Amino acid sequence: GQNIDQPTEMTATEGAIVQINCTYQTSGFNGLFWYQQHAGEAPTFLSYNVLDGLEEKGRFSSFLSRSKGYSYLLLKELQMKDSASYLCAVRGTTDSWGKFQFGAGTQVVVTP
Amino acid sequence: ETGVTQSPTHLIKTRGQQVTLRCSSQSGHNTVSWYQQALGQGPQFIFQYYREEENGRGNFPPRFSGLQFPNYSSELNVNALELDDSALYLCASSLYTDTQYFGPGTRLTVL
Repeated sequence: GQNIDQPTEMTATEGAIVQINCTYQTSGFNGLFWYQQHAGEAPTFLSYNVLDGLEEKGRFSSFLSRSKGYSYLLLKELQMKDSASYLCAVRGTTDSWGKFQFGAGTQVVVTP
Repeated sequence: ETGVTQSPTHLIKTRGQQVTLRCSSQSGHNTVSWYQQALGQGPQFIFQYYREEENGRGNFPPRFSGLQFPNYSSELNVNALELDDSALYLCASSLYTDTQYFGPGTRLTVL
């Protein structure tokens, strides 16, 4: 099976940096994804890691360590519109081919 | 390029009824996955369809069933609705196991 943990809520100031951690335990691993979800809306894709290391996309960066079962999403130069839930998802293999297992989400609150 | 669409947007049903939710996949995608998202929780995997066949299922009872059509669109059917079935139902399409892109969801309320 799979277990994915991420903090419930984080608060940061506009212009600051926030790091959202995600740890996972999985019987098969084939990639880790981060999605952003505003209240009442569908999740939107942010980033994807399958190899160890850092992937940078503008203000957002994501890091993966497969040996530690650990990832983080880094949000830089926070803007008010970044207030949302951030979902960590692991893609499985073999018996869970293509299945995405999501964490409960981290609610990020950006304050002025 | 057309994104993932779902219908209806909102739905209200009573216990014991049956419901059908619909999803049109993004152009170029051949795989559809369905998720249930309760308030304050992450999406929970229901099942996935590829080549019109179920390709993996989460911990949901058999009264949750689905279909995929030759044009890759899909339906989620839920029989004998229960109060706990009230949730946002999300459809996501992908090309095989690549990144999944979500539709806007259907908000189901069971009274």
